[in-house]
Amino acid sequence: AQSVTQLDSQVPVFEEAPVELRCNYSSSVSVYLFWYVQYPNQGLQLLLKYLSGSTLVKGINGFEAEFNKSQTSFHLRKPSVHISDTAEYFCAALKTSYDKVIFGPGTSLSVIP
Amino acid sequence: DAGVIQSPRHEVTEMGQEVTLRCKPISGHDYLFWYRQTMMRGLELLIYFNNNVPIDDSGMPEDRFSAKMPNASFSTLKIQPSEPRDSAVYFCASTRGGEQYFGPGTRLTVT
Repeated sequence: AQSVTQLDSQVPVFEEAPVELRCNYSSSVSVYLFWYVQYPNQGLQLLLKYLSGSTLVKGINGFEAEFNKSQTSFHLRKPSVHISDTAEYFCAALKTSYDKVIFGPGTSLSVIP
Repeated sequence: DAGVIQSPRHEVTEMGQEVTLRCKPISGHDYLFWYRQTMMRGLELLIYFNNNVPIDDSGMPEDRFSAKMPNASFSTLKIQPSEPRDSAVYFCASTRGGEQYFGPGTRLTVT
């Protein structure tokens, strides 16, 4: 069965410091991968997605993620975080275009002034 | 496009009452998903539809929960009777393949 793991439930980081949020997936077949962000009292918004091609994917708000097939990882990074990046971040995987998305448990990013 | 629309945004009801949550997906999207989010259990998929047909309802917690999609532009999630443990934020999402687009959610409080 396909699953998505986010190893860190909470990540505190100082403003302007770099951050990496980890995501690993398990799948015996190729997958599509996504990162979503959820700001307080809002729905989930797509940050970025990997479908195929270049393994380094750039998204909105200065975030990027790298697909690593050998390590089955899709870690999210930002070189310098802002207070406004404080939110919940969800990694997700999709086995085929027409299937249900499997979400990870989420990582709460807190940016400290 | 207005995005996925959900109503109401907030619902407060008493235990035992019927609750109906509504969702209008993005036009042209043929998949619709209902999720529930709580602090304890995180984001849970309840049910999803393809072309208005329920595909997987294994996440629906109990018979008290039911969902319908009478046409491509409207879906409902009904809880009857409601219980305090149903208190959560309920999200609707739609897609035509690939990434999902989420609505703003309905915050349900059952007292």
